[in-house]
Amino acid sequence: GAVVSQHPSRVICKSGTSVKIECRSLDFQATTMFWYRQFPKQSLMLMATSNEGSKATYEQGVEKDKFLINHASLTLSTLTVTSAHPEDSSFYICSARKTGLAEAFFGQGTRLTVV
Amino acid sequence: AQSVTQLDSHVSVSEGTPVLLRCNYSSSYSPSLFWYVQHPNKGLQLLLKYTSAATLVKGINGFEAEFKKSETSFHLTKPSAHMSDAAEYFCVVPGGATNKLIFGTGTLLAVQP
Repeated sequence: GAVVSQHPSRVICKSGTSVKIECRSLDFQATTMFWYRQFPKQSLMLMATSNEGSKATYEQGVEKDKFLINHASLTLSTLTVTSAHPEDSSFYICSARKTGLAEAFFGQGTRLTVV
Repeated sequence: AQSVTQLDSHVSVSEGTPVLLRCNYSSSYSPSLFWYVQHPNKGLQLLLKYTSAATLVKGINGFEAEFKKSETSFHLTKPSAHMSDAAEYFCVVPGGATNKLIFGTGTLLAVQP
């Protein structure tokens, strides 16, 4: 199988603080992982492509200084929401692709609430 | 460029009746295509995939989809809906030269008792 684990599943934080979300590929190595944001009743919006050992590639309109991505190993990528504001409240989902397969495998998602 | 269009944002069926969720694709070549399901506050789970082998693809939970090149369609079907099928369904295509996935806008399936 191909399992992607995302942690935490839910987090509540105060405005101005930072939150880190982890995405792990449990049984395969992933040189590339993807971070998405999903607003209520909408499709997934790609935020950035995380590349192991190099800088992430951000989509247009996504603030790289606000959404810090680190992909330090072949099984772990992290997304840090810095100086969080209520408008950052959302559902964040990561995914990874296994070498040789076209489909992606998704984490369980993280519900971030900034109060 | 690759794209997918999900024709219905909401579909409501009665339990035990057939399900049809429609997806049309646009591609300059015969693409891979996927259907994913998302239950509330959960990640996405792969239901099935088409990768240019058999045009009729069987997936998990009794779902299947047929790739029809002449109609550029990849509709998702299930003979008999179950309450647990209520969820959001996404038709997805790889983004060609990039590693990205292109998502449809999603179809919310409601199953009435």
